[in-house]
Amino acid sequence: QVQLVQSGAEVKKPGASVKVSCKASGYTFTSYYMHWVRQAPGQGLEWMGIINPSGGSTSYAQKFQGRVTMTRDTSTSTVYMELSSLRSEDTAVYYCAREFQQQLDYWGQGTLVTVSS
Amino acid sequence: DIQMTQSPSSLSASVGDRVTITCRASQSISSYLNWYQQKPGKAPKLLIYAASSLQSGVPSRFSGSGSGTDFTLTISSLQPEDFATYYCQQSYSTSMYTFGQGTKLEIK
Repeated sequence: QVQLVQSGAEVKKPGASVKVSCKASGYTFTSYYMHWVRQAPGQGLEWMGIINPSGGSTSYAQKFQGRVTMTRDTSTSTVYMELSSLRSEDTAVYYCAREFQQQLDYWGQGTLVTVSS
Repeated sequence: DIQMTQSPSSLSASVGDRVTITCRASQSISSYLNWYQQKPGKAPKLLIYAASSLQSGVPSRFSGSGSGTDFTLTISSLQPEDFATYYCQQSYSTSMYTFGQGTKLEIK
């Protein structure tokens, strides 16, 4: 069965970077795009970007351009999302989600990133 | 960027009620509209894709309609497990999958 398993919670100081992983299993990793979505406490869902695990191409929301980098490792079927220059407003749960025919059909369990001095 | 606006932002209803949530796009998105349900502390779950197609395993009391800029999610007879937050999402712009702000469905 399809599973997306994310790395554990992180606590970071302002100005630092965080790298969250999402390990996929149960399907052909390179056949489905992967998205990253975040959710600040008590807030809605915010789309961050997308990576094509096959070639590694990416597209990021304008809000995160210059601060976010999405990469993949095909040998371990894992995608990564790195966010730099962290500020308190980046405190959120970060989700990876698989795309199937333009819908997000499977989601990771979420990774809480807390930014605090 | 395509903006998605949901209404209402919150809604109180009773078990057995028929409920409708609306989502409006800032430009035409054809039928590239998905609906998700999220319960507290959980990841979102896909309910409806391509505006009106029911995701496998989702109860038939959920339905979606619309095209262009105006879309609706309808729950025909609310069940206790349906109290959650619902989000629409456009997938027309493949480089920017924006979400609506969410509709919180609460028990009256």
